[in-house]
Amino acid sequence: EAGVTQFPSHSVIEKGQTVTLRCDPISGHDNLYWYRRVMGKEIKFLLHFVKESKQDESGMPNNRFLAERTGGTYSTLKVQPAELEDSGVYFCASSQEGNRYEQFFGPGTRLTVL
Amino acid sequence: AQTVTQSQPEMSVQEAETVTLSCTYDTSESDYYLFWYKQPPSRQMILVIRQEAYKQQNATENRFSVNFQKAAKSFSLKISDSQLGDAAMYFCAYRSGVLKTGNQFYFGTGTSLTVIP
Repeated sequence: EAGVTQFPSHSVIEKGQTVTLRCDPISGHDNLYWYRRVMGKEIKFLLHFVKESKQDESGMPNNRFLAERTGGTYSTLKVQPAELEDSGVYFCASSQEGNRYEQFFGPGTRLTVL
Repeated sequence: AQTVTQSQPEMSVQEAETVTLSCTYDTSESDYYLFWYKQPPSRQMILVIRQEAYKQQNATENRFSVNFQKAAKSFSLKISDSQLGDAAMYFCAYRSGVLKTGNQFYFGTGTSLTVIP
């Protein structure tokens, strides 16, 4: 069974540009989460999808971040325009409905904004 | 809000020795779950071990065990007979047991573990 995949693995952009991160969850997982780790800090929750619906987006830092989940499958996280403080590692995770025990994480996308 | 604290940014251990990683958390909830995740360099984060708060017995998974002190809100990870493959960043995480609202994980800042041959 394929795990959670994320693309790209690294992205380097300049301030003011746009970047789109993609996450493909494990097949059949209705729950999809985005997290972010800024250098040296804790991993912080951004938002949670159940299928194609946003269940909780309380962690989204501001309106420069837009997340979508087309048809309840893969998800994208767009940052527009990117700022220096957006640099960090963006993790995606997925889980089955009702699974309290584990979220399966992707390898993350390292975003550097210059 | 729940917080998770890992006070050891870096730790090192000799191969075959034992190391303990610390984690404390703060919550007013009585039903919750605690986890240790491991992220090897440039690889996916994987679950090492989990503990249900209602269970008094400490969880064990092969060479990995936890010391769960509910009253002290402490959840340390012990790695016995350390191997080179244990070198990774370790994250402690908390999840509410209230399924409706507690779907997100709360993480600590991580502990980078080096295993010395």
